[in-house]
Amino acid sequence: EVQLVESGGGLVQPGRSLRLSCAASGLTFDGYAMHWVRQGPGKGLEWVSGISWNSGTLDYADSVKGRFTISRDNAKRSLYLQMNSLRADDTAVYYCAKESIFGYGRPFDCWGQGTLVTVSS
Amino acid sequence: EIVLTQSPATLSLSPGERATLSCRASQSLTTYLAWYQQKPGQAPRLLIYDASNRATGIPARFSGSGSGTDFTLTISSLEPEDFAVYYCQQRYSWPVTFGPGTKVDIK
Repeated sequence: EVQLVESGGGLVQPGRSLRLSCAASGLTFDGYAMHWVRQGPGKGLEWVSGISWNSGTLDYADSVKGRFTISRDNAKRSLYLQMNSLRADDTAVYYCAKESIFGYGRPFDCWGQGTLVTVSS
Repeated sequence: EIVLTQSPATLSLSPGERATLSCRASQSLTTYLAWYQQKPGQAPRLLIYDASNRATGIPARFSGSGSGTDFTLTISSLEPEDFAVYYCQQRYSWPVTFGPGTKVDIK
């Protein structure tokens, strides 16, 4: 069974940093592109960032470009999101999501349970 | 950025009824549209990809149709577990975008 487990969320002050992790199991991790998607309180889904299987392609939403960095360690089967200069509007549940088949830009067929990031003083 | 509009915002129906949800795109997606279901406190679940293909394990009562800018998710006969929020998502161009969602609740 494919499982994605996020960690690293918490309460952080505006302007500070946080690093999220997503541990994958039950799949050939380096066979899939991975993404981060967030959901603000009571809001819809917002794609944040994506990374190809070999880290050759990195994409970011305009709202996080220059502040967030996505990375992965295939040997550790892990995905990361380094979040700097956090703002109140970054408050959200952050999900990691796996693409459905090899490639980049495919639908997301598996999601983690999410980790809550709260940015507040 | 491609904008997705979903209608209605809320759909109030009874179990056994047919649900028809709409997603409209600001430009053509060909068929690069997916539908997700999200229940409270849970992660989204992929239902339909590429407009009309059911994801693994998705019951046949869920079907998708459409191409270009207009798409429809149909639930032929609502089961109690189908009351949830449904999002459409386009992967035609970056950034990937989601619609605002349609909430299907119990009448």
